[in-house]
Amino acid sequence: GAVVSQHPSRVICKSGTSVKIECRSLDFQATTMFWYRQFPKQSLMLMATSNEGSKATYEQGVEKDKFLINHASLTLSTLTVTSAHPEDSSFYICSAIRGHEEKLFFGSGTQLSVL
Amino acid sequence: RKEVEQDPGPFNVPEGATVAFNCTYSNSASQSFFWYRQDCRKEPKLLMSVYSSGNEDGRFTAQLNRASQYISLLIRDSKLSDSATYLCVVNMAEYGNKLVFGAGTILRVKS
Repeated sequence: GAVVSQHPSRVICKSGTSVKIECRSLDFQATTMFWYRQFPKQSLMLMATSNEGSKATYEQGVEKDKFLINHASLTLSTLTVTSAHPEDSSFYICSAIRGHEEKLFFGSGTQLSVL
Repeated sequence: RKEVEQDPGPFNVPEGATVAFNCTYSNSASQSFFWYRQDCRKEPKLLMSVYSSGNEDGRFTAQLNRASQYISLLIRDSKLSDSATYLCVVNMAEYGNKLVFGAGTILRVKS
């Protein structure tokens, strides 16, 4: 089956620093990737849709200057949390679509803790 | 009204019990529906797609009611390993993909 690799799995950082999370599709080309955030005991909230070679589409309420998304190749999308604050602490997870399938292939997630 | 709503539970059931979850969605034009399973702090995994005629996979049965805009998941003969959060997912886009997740229903199966 299709594999999506997400790295790092856990990050602890100081307030004010920037954190980059990578999401790679290992055995297929992903023209579209999605980034989600999940707070404890809540569901996945879509943050943005990342399209290869174009600007990401952000959901309402998500600051594009704070959550920078780059999808420079068909196998890699990155999410950078800029100037992280404790309220940004959350579980971030990416997913990718293979071709025209509707099924989502998820990365394993990144637990971000901002001190 | 939320786009996709689920009863958060938790549903606490004994092993061997039958349990059912419902999920309602707001967009009548939605075309595709799925149930995902998520274990704590892990990525969601596709459990099954939901088809108009209803579909079954072993102990799991999914049904769609377009008129009432809800989907259901029935788990028979519950196992301890079924304990997880079950996420209802609806593709809200008429074209392409806009997958919206419900908040999830927690299931705890106890011996």
